[in-house]
Amino acid sequence: SQQGEEDPQALSIQEGENATMNCSYKTSINNLQWYRQNSGRGLVHLILIRSNEREKHSGRLRVTLDTSKKSSSLLITASRAADTASYFCATGYGRKYIFGTGTRLKVLA
Amino acid sequence: EAGVAQSPRYKIIEKRQSVAFWCNPISGHATLYWYQQILGQGPKLLIQFQNNGVVDDSQLPKDRFSAERLKGVDSTLKIQPAKLEDSAVYLCASSLGQGPDTQYFGPGTRLTVL
Repeated sequence: SQQGEEDPQALSIQEGENATMNCSYKTSINNLQWYRQNSGRGLVHLILIRSNEREKHSGRLRVTLDTSKKSSSLLITASRAADTASYFCATGYGRKYIFGTGTRLKVLA
Repeated sequence: EAGVAQSPRYKIIEKRQSVAFWCNPISGHATLYWYQQILGQGPKLLIQFQNNGVVDDSQLPKDRFSAERLKGVDSTLKIQPAKLEDSAVYLCASSLGQGPDTQYFGPGTRLTVL
């Protein structure tokens, strides 16, 4: 399967701490996106990184991409209770995206 | 700008019954996606439309699932007959163009098959 896999599956941290989650994939990609899903809701796009980029920032989010290791990481700095959600990577192959299994993040106030 | 609309939000049916979901994408978005998300898993692409043509339906169980996109705008996804394992959230998403692009998701339809 080409599906990306997030690691860890679940993460629990204190408010103010940083949260790091990883995504690994198996075949070459065009780009990779990260999405957030709050409980019972649709997914919200966070950031897109192209295969020729190594790092992107958006507010408290930092995404890195290492195509040689076929992996990406999402760092959320200074986490807040509102960051509690599931986070998914979506790997892009041509016009197609495949979502990973997700990391469930819980931020404790 | 209005987001992706889906209806109904919730549906409970008996196995072997049929059900249909509706999606209205963001105006002007060429690409429309239907995903199935089983509890605790990531979304799985069922079908992808580019305007009113099918780009990918390789994971659509065609013996029971069907989908159409009328005039390249609204879309319906139908299940007939439903099985217990079809219980999931069905997500519709749309994106502007053909290439690597942000997908905008609707709130989803939660289907329970009893």
